Amino acid sequence: KAGVTQTPRYLIKTRGQQVTLSCSPISGHRSVSWYQQTPGQGLQFLFEYFSETQRNKGNFPGRFSGRQFSNSRSEMNVSTLELGDSALYLCASSLDGKNTEAFFGQGTRLTVV
Amino acid sequence: AQRVTQPEKLLSVFKGAPVELKCNYSYSGSPELFWYVQYSRQRLQLLLRHISRESIKGFTADLNKGETSFHLKKPFAQEEDSAMYYCALVPYGQNFVFGPGTRLSVLP
Repeated sequence: KAGVTQTPRYLIKTRGQQVTLSCSPISGHRSVSWYQQTPGQGLQFLFEYFSETQRNKGNFPGRFSGRQFSNSRSEMNVSTLELGDSALYLCASSLDGKNTEAFFGQGTRLTVV
Repeated sequence: AQRVTQPEKLLSVFKGAPVELKCNYSYSGSPELFWYVQYSRQRLQLLLRHISRESIKGFTADLNKGETSFHLKKPFAQEEDSAMYYCALVPYGQNFVFGPGTRLSVLP
């Protein structure tokens, strides 16, 4: 079956702009989580969506938001981009998000200039 | 707060040598622990989880609740084991808490 798909793979944005990233989970998976990966901070949890509802949230400012659609596809939005938002954004899907294996996408590399 | 530490940012060993990647966690409850691996230019993927108690690609990891550790071990390292390894904790009802990762380099 198809894996987790993230689009786009690469993005370059300027400070102050906003960006939307997309994640299509594995078919049948209802939980989608987002992570920010940077060399300095490693993998940091952003938020998790399950059945179109945000179920958990990490310690990121309100500029970071997301949503999930009825087909479990998820989008992540970052508004008023800052240079420090440059990172690899990973999406992971799992059946129910509760202690089950998480499958990761290839990520979206966001560069803010 | 739940936390995962991996003390080594980089670990270099020679091919055929034993390797141990250290992982310690802080969590008051009963932990669910995983090791994820990221090979060059590939996505992050599950290597093993403690409840399955299986060996994957020759790697094993034992949960030591007394020492709050979940070290990853392999008796004979191979060059293809070179990758970034992340230890992860899943507190009950919550999401993955990842450690900072250890880059394993297996030298020929």
